[in-house]
Amino acid sequence: DVKVTQSSRYLVKRTGEKVFLECVQDMDHENMFWYRQDPGLGLRLIYFSYDVKMKEKGDIPEGYSVSREKKERFSLILESASTNQTSMYLCASSAGTGLGTNQPQHFGDGTRLSIL
Amino acid sequence: LAKTTQPISMDSYEGQEVNITCSHNNIATNDYITWYQQFPSQGPRFIIQGYKTKVTNEVASLFIPADRKSSTLSLPRVSLSDTAVYYCLVGDDTSGTYKYIFGTGTRLKVLA
Repeated sequence: DVKVTQSSRYLVKRTGEKVFLECVQDMDHENMFWYRQDPGLGLRLIYFSYDVKMKEKGDIPEGYSVSREKKERFSLILESASTNQTSMYLCASSAGTGLGTNQPQHFGDGTRLSIL
Repeated sequence: LAKTTQPISMDSYEGQEVNITCSHNNIATNDYITWYQQFPSQGPRFIIQGYKTKVTNEVASLFIPADRKSSTLSLPRVSLSDTAVYYCLVGDDTSGTYKYIFGTGTRLKVLA
């Protein structure tokens, strides 16, 4: 079974802090994704990566950056956290390269981030 | 841009068959349609995916008409443990930029 592990289940940070969310997958998947999930808005893609050091903006990249130095690890960075970034953050990975839904995405259990 | 529409919620009794439909007006030509299940405090879990016609696995069936503008997830003989939120996922490349489009989710409640 594919395992996608997010480093924290719950995280509380203060406004203005730089926040790192880490995600590791163990299936040698090329694609990795970061989403946020908010009530009434569903899942929205922040960034994805289809290879080491490669990244593409999703629908809501503002205020976020990502890093993928190794194939198994994809980090989401909140450069200067704000209260409107309080949300559930979900990481996912999938096989194959590039865009498309032909390989299912496998999700971690999420990080619930609160910005005070 | 593709827009997906799902019923917000559904109730069913144990042992019944449940069908959840997702309408998607515009999806990428070569992409699959994928369905996920999500329990509280967990990430979405892959259920099934298909390109067209009918796909069946050990937990569900997926029906996709020829025009691919909708898909129906069918859960046979649901149990209390099927109470969850169900999402469809499609891709859209019609604007020139590829987008992953998740449905807004259908909250299924299974009653004893």
